[in-house]
Amino acid sequence: DQQVKQNSPSLSVQEGRISILNCDYTNSMFDYFLWYKKYPAEGPTFLISISSIKDKNEDGRFTVFLNKSAKHLSLHIVPSQPGDSAVYFCAASSRSGSARQLTFGSGTQLTVLP
Amino acid sequence: GAGVSQTPSNKVTEKGKYVELRCDPISGHTALYWYRQSLGQGPEFLIYFQGTGAADDSGLPNDRFFAVRPEGSVSTLKIQRTERGDSAVYLCASSSVDGEAFFGQGTRLTVV
Repeated sequence: DQQVKQNSPSLSVQEGRISILNCDYTNSMFDYFLWYKKYPAEGPTFLISISSIKDKNEDGRFTVFLNKSAKHLSLHIVPSQPGDSAVYFCAASSRSGSARQLTFGSGTQLTVLP
Repeated sequence: GAGVSQTPSNKVTEKGKYVELRCDPISGHTALYWYRQSLGQGPEFLIYFQGTGAADDSGLPNDRFFAVRPEGSVSTLKIQRTERGDSAVYLCASSSVDGEAFFGQGTRLTVV
C-alpha cells in the first residue's frame, strides 16, 4: 500500500514556464512534507519542506502548497530552467520524538526544454 | 568532505556472498538512516540510528540484513547470503536533531 503517490512519472515543460509537480498521501498521521531533487548517480538533495500547520511555503523559484483536506501537495517551479531537469521525489513523515523517517513517492522525471 | 560519504560507489557480488556497505555521515549529525531504492521507485526506509543504537529497524526486509553504528558516527550495512532481489541503490542519510536529512550518493549493489 503506497502511502505517498506521485501519479505522473514524467513531465516536460518549456524553459521559462511553470512546472507543477503533484503528490498525494493517504496517511493522516503525516505532518511534515518535503521535496527532494535527484540527478543521475547522485543522492537526493533536499529542496523545500512544509509543516502541516501551513498551507504554503516559498523559497525563491520554488513554492510548495499543502491541501490537508485533500491530502495533496504540489511543488511549483517558476520560471523553470533547464538545470531543473531531474527526478523530483515527494516525501512525508510523522513526528516520533525527533525522528524523521521519510516515506517517499516514486518520483516524477521533470524535463525542462530549452 | 562536508557531505555524507558512502563506499563503495558500486559493488558487484555473486549470489550467496556477504557484503558490507559503509556510510560516513556529516560530522556532528546524531541521526543516521539507511534507505534502499529499487529501479523506478522512491527510496524505502530500512533502519534509523540515534547515536549508537538502532532506534527503528522496522524497514529491514529480513534477518539477512543488519546494520551497526558502534561509535555513533560511521555505520555499516551488512547483507548476508545476498540474493538477486537485493540489487538496488543503498542510500545513507544523516541529520541533526530535527534537521533535514542529507543523503549520500549511494552504493549501487548488483547481485549476479
